[in-house]
Amino acid sequence: QSVLTQPASVSGSPGQSITISCTGTRNDVGLYNLVSWYQQHPGKAPKLLLYEVTKRPSGVSSRFSGSKSGNTASLTISGLQSEDEADYYCCSFVGSSTSSFGGGTKLTVL
Amino acid sequence: QLVESGGTLVQPGGSLRLSCSASGVTIDSDFMTWVRQAPGKGLEWVSVLYRSGKTQYSDSVRGRFTVSRDNFETTLYLQMNSLRTDDTAMYYCVKSSGYGGSTFDNWGQGTLVTVSS
Repeated sequence: QSVLTQPASVSGSPGQSITISCTGTRNDVGLYNLVSWYQQHPGKAPKLLLYEVTKRPSGVSSRFSGSKSGNTASLTISGLQSEDEADYYCCSFVGSSTSSFGGGTKLTVL
Repeated sequence: QLVESGGTLVQPGGSLRLSCSASGVTIDSDFMTWVRQAPGKGLEWVSVLYRSGKTQYSDSVRGRFTVSRDNFETTLYLQMNSLRTDDTAMYYCVKSSGYGGSTFDNWGQGTLVTVSS
């Protein structure tokens, strides 16, 4: 059972924006600005999209953005494209040198 | 690029050692992490090795798994003992950064461990 809660699935049409939530507690997401997001296409390894809530690694499209309010972090993808169809995972540092992932969200581009 | 190896079919109660070698990326990162993914399931944080040698494990593997690195800092290992069927997963080696290694920057392609009789 994941410490962080994500919706199982979201969908959107090309060009639209979608938001995926990641809800934790005051002891993880609410306590640390150490939330990261990962994109995983079928049969592939995950790829880092965002770290420390809002930061994008070089090479990641600016269409991906992050935010946090209280115990909930969010990933927003704007200008949806077909190649964005994938699974998305949030992750938070939870203390004691450990981290925990959300259960994952399957994004379908209609 | 990180390359994992060592995954195979093993019986419950058995042992296995996974390896992770680097090409163009050194294993002497501040943090090296193992993450696993059971078939059709989500990601699960397993273990972290600090550059200092400090280690940490998830509750599900603590006492059974050991993470280590060779003296030349070219290979990361995950020694897995007392394997259970719920350890069946793809195991990823990840170069990590940030506070407590909480950002997983570079992932290997994974190696599949199947625990079954």
